[in-house]
Amino acid sequence: AQSVTQLGSHVSVSEGALVLLRCNYSSSVPPYLFWYVQYPNQGLQLLLKYTTGATLVKGINGFEAEFKKSETSFHLTKPSAHMSDAAEYFCAVSPNFGNEKLTFGTGTRLTIIP
Amino acid sequence: GAVVSQHPSRVICKSGTSVKIECRSLDFQATTMFWYRQFPKKSLMLMATSNEGSKATYEQGVEKDKFLINHASLTLSTLTVTSAHPEDSSFYICSAGGLAGEDTQYFGPGTRLTVL
Repeated sequence: AQSVTQLGSHVSVSEGALVLLRCNYSSSVPPYLFWYVQYPNQGLQLLLKYTTGATLVKGINGFEAEFKKSETSFHLTKPSAHMSDAAEYFCAVSPNFGNEKLTFGTGTRLTIIP
Repeated sequence: GAVVSQHPSRVICKSGTSVKIECRSLDFQATTMFWYRQFPKKSLMLMATSNEGSKATYEQGVEKDKFLINHASLTLSTLTVTSAHPEDSSFYICSAGGLAGEDTQYFGPGTRLTVL
């Protein structure tokens, strides 16, 4: 069984400040981990994913995430927030391949303060 | 890149009618498609997994006779909400996987269903 916990349903940061969105997972097998972004009334866009190998993963739009097995975490960061980053962010886990069933966290709404 | 489309993007229907939502993989063959439901300000809930040419696998608690899923070809899956009721109003999102050499699902833009 797998589960994902996203701490903080709402996060607000000032434009130019560091963005940190937290994700912890539970998995009985080595997980595949994903971050997706959703803009209002749109589907999900893949930001980045971890499968195997390097634990620091770089994604689109300047985002990156680090897989920490000892902490069962996959937090998403961006050094400098931009107004266009305002959206809903979902962390997800799958048992092996991303083609398998995804289990999503409850999402974090990111607000950027001008 | 891999593109998944959904049609329609929005639909409003009367209670008791049926609505069909299409999910297409435009530039790749999707061996597996997934249907999700998203309630307002909530996460995505997987409804069912469909593989081309076989019956869909429904998640626990999802009524398969109400949410009919067909995956007739490698580029098309359909979700039919039968005898829709206001509580079926939601945002329905599909995803497709199976792009050769990749292990990622690609999501459609979603369909907003409103049942009056």
